[in-house]
Amino acid sequence: VLLVESGGGLVQPGGSLRLSCAASGFTFSNYAMSWVRQAPGKGLEWVSAISGSGGKTYYADSVKGRFTISRDNSKNTVYLQMNSLRAEDTAVYYCAKNTFTIYAHSDWFDFWGQGTLVTVSS
Amino acid sequence: QSVLTQPPSVSGAPGQRVTISCTGSSSNIGAGYDVHWYQQLPGTAPTLLIYGNSNRPSGVPDRFSGSKSDTSASLAITGLQADNEADYYCQSYDTSLSGWVFGGGTKLTVL
Repeated sequence: VLLVESGGGLVQPGGSLRLSCAASGFTFSNYAMSWVRQAPGKGLEWVSAISGSGGKTYYADSVKGRFTISRDNSKNTVYLQMNSLRAEDTAVYYCAKNTFTIYAHSDWFDFWGQGTLVTVSS
Repeated sequence: QSVLTQPPSVSGAPGQRVTISCTGSSSNIGAGYDVHWYQQLPGTAPTLLIYGNSNRPSGVPDRFSGSKSDTSASLAITGLQADNEADYYCQSYDTSLSGWVFGGGTKLTVL
């Protein structure tokens, strides 16, 4: 299993950015996928998840209405479109593989990417 | 503030045993949701350490063990080694927040 994130960078407050996560080594469409972030020197925060089919999406309250998760199962890629970015969104964003196809409350993250840094600053 | 509470730091000498607690409430661990643990070595991404309260993925040594009771969970590490120095996070689901939640993390120092 390999997860490779890309798309991070410096963006001004109020700006937008789209992160990508290319997956390999497993049957991508069989698993839900998530984004988890970590602000500098801080702990982990779950951001968003998407079911294996892409038909169901879930968000933390902190990003609801501003971030959109999607996936392209033909490209084995999951995306995170981030709009109206704020300074508090500054973090390393990790792509993580779930172990269920659907959003399951007792699920966990069995593989993680290396992360991509998003910095929101003027 | 995290809904799952972990001690900010723990320490132990090589060969000793340490435990890391993860205290939740009736809306997460106490509601019956499983607890999972991750290890984050300095400068790297987290890796899965324990899933489903007490199960180890292949490759994780049996020096690491997990348990859950009522509204809390614990991670125990026996036979401490220098390369166990890392941040450790617990994770569960919270019904009030309608999402997965992490503890604040515990930094383990091997003396």
